[in-house]
Amino acid sequence: DSGVTQTPKHLITATGQRVTLRCSPRSGDLSVYWYQQSLDQGLQFLIQYYNGEERAKGNILERFSAQQFPDLHSELNLSSLELGDSALYFCASSPGPPGSYNEQFFGPGTRLTVL
Amino acid sequence: AQSVTQLGSHVSVSEGALVLLRCNYSSSVPPYLFWYVQYPNQGLQLLLKYTSAATLVKGINGFEAEFKKSETSFHLTKPSAHMSDAAEYFCAVRTNTGNQSYFGTGTSLTVIP
Repeated sequence: DSGVTQTPKHLITATGQRVTLRCSPRSGDLSVYWYQQSLDQGLQFLIQYYNGEERAKGNILERFSAQQFPDLHSELNLSSLELGDSALYFCASSPGPPGSYNEQFFGPGTRLTVL
Repeated sequence: AQSVTQLGSHVSVSEGALVLLRCNYSSSVPPYLFWYVQYPNQGLQLLLKYTSAATLVKGINGFEAEFKKSETSFHLTKPSAHMSDAAEYFCAVRTNTGNQSYFGTGTSLTVIP
């Protein structure tokens, strides 16, 4: 158990819908990262927050957005869902500021299926 | 910019044989390097990391990796494969000036009994 929790574990929805994925980092970790993992794209970095501020953006679509709240939990919002958005979405956290050598601790993931 | 290349998306070894998973990195500044393992239906967990101390890094489950600057490599090895080592392995790089880690495409390890 990494200490990172993600809800829900599974999510099945239809095209065009909007969903919210939630992540609670390890106690004391200030950085939160979101990743998308699919069979054809591999592990793709989406976005990073540090202490409530966006710090890095990867291959995140405009239909996707995220935020980190004052209690440090984070939410990833996916809208206008398409079949191709079906994937595993991972959240990870780390204690240090950006640029530190701290490893990331990954949550168990949310499996999103878009029908 | 930083990047990671993992050679071989699938590697099969016999139980008890040497495991060698290859990772080459690209970085304009001294890197921090990581190996993660992902078991089926689970998140990634850290195997080991290199942070500019010893070049030979020992990790969990008998794995180790050697940082070779001249070859820009950080290959993962284990002397004797066990059935429980079957998983997906990811190499990642980050720097002390970077905000994110860059992950390789992963290597799926199969252990044949």
